[in-house]
Amino acid sequence: RKEVEQDPGPFNVPEGATVAFNCTYSNSASQSFFWYRQDCRKEPKLLMSVYSSGNEDGRFTAQLNRASQYISLLIRDSKLSDSATYLCVVNNYGGSQGNLIFGKGTKLSVKP
Amino acid sequence: NAGVTQTPKFQVLKTGQSMTLQCAQDMNHNSMYWYRQDPGMGLRLIYYSASEGTTDKGEVPNGYNVSRLNKREFSLRLESAAPSQTSVYFCASIGTSGYNEQFFGPGTRLTVL
Repeated sequence: RKEVEQDPGPFNVPEGATVAFNCTYSNSASQSFFWYRQDCRKEPKLLMSVYSSGNEDGRFTAQLNRASQYISLLIRDSKLSDSATYLCVVNNYGGSQGNLIFGKGTKLSVKP
Repeated sequence: NAGVTQTPKFQVLKTGQSMTLQCAQDMNHNSMYWYRQDPGMGLRLIYYSASEGTTDKGEVPNGYNVSRLNKREFSLRLESAAPSQTSVYFCASIGTSGYNEQFFGPGTRLTVL
């Protein structure tokens, strides 16, 4: 099982739609969780951290289920500018490959 | 405050040529990383440096060497480039906050012919 798995998409949605991305991770000892956004031909940038209690930032809501080793990202009222690839990221403290393990990303395309 | 900078932005090499990708950060971060990103493969860690003076292999280190020149700079060297090293290379550094946000440079697009 890959360390961090995501549905690659693409997700094609109309403006105003609600879209949800899911991610699973394999290391039950993982400590920190993030969603990064990567625009086409650009570097990844942090979108939001994911807390155990769930957290919201405007139209974006992130949830963590440690028991199921599952992370989600919900985007409400999608905008054209939300079109990007969303990377699920897990921090495995003390892992042999540095700190952060990246999923391959889920591509979102928001259409007018 | 420039964050993480990388040079060059683009490079074309012939098989067997060598080159060094430069990376610098001005955020006083201890840890720095080199990734490559290929279509369908996601980000893969090449090497990382947890602190000045230390370097460790990541998932795909073969064909690469690194130097942590000082706290600010972390370079990646291809001694004898191969077409399989055609990729986008990202340098990153990580802060010391509790949530470990990783900051990325703008990337270097490398083509090996």
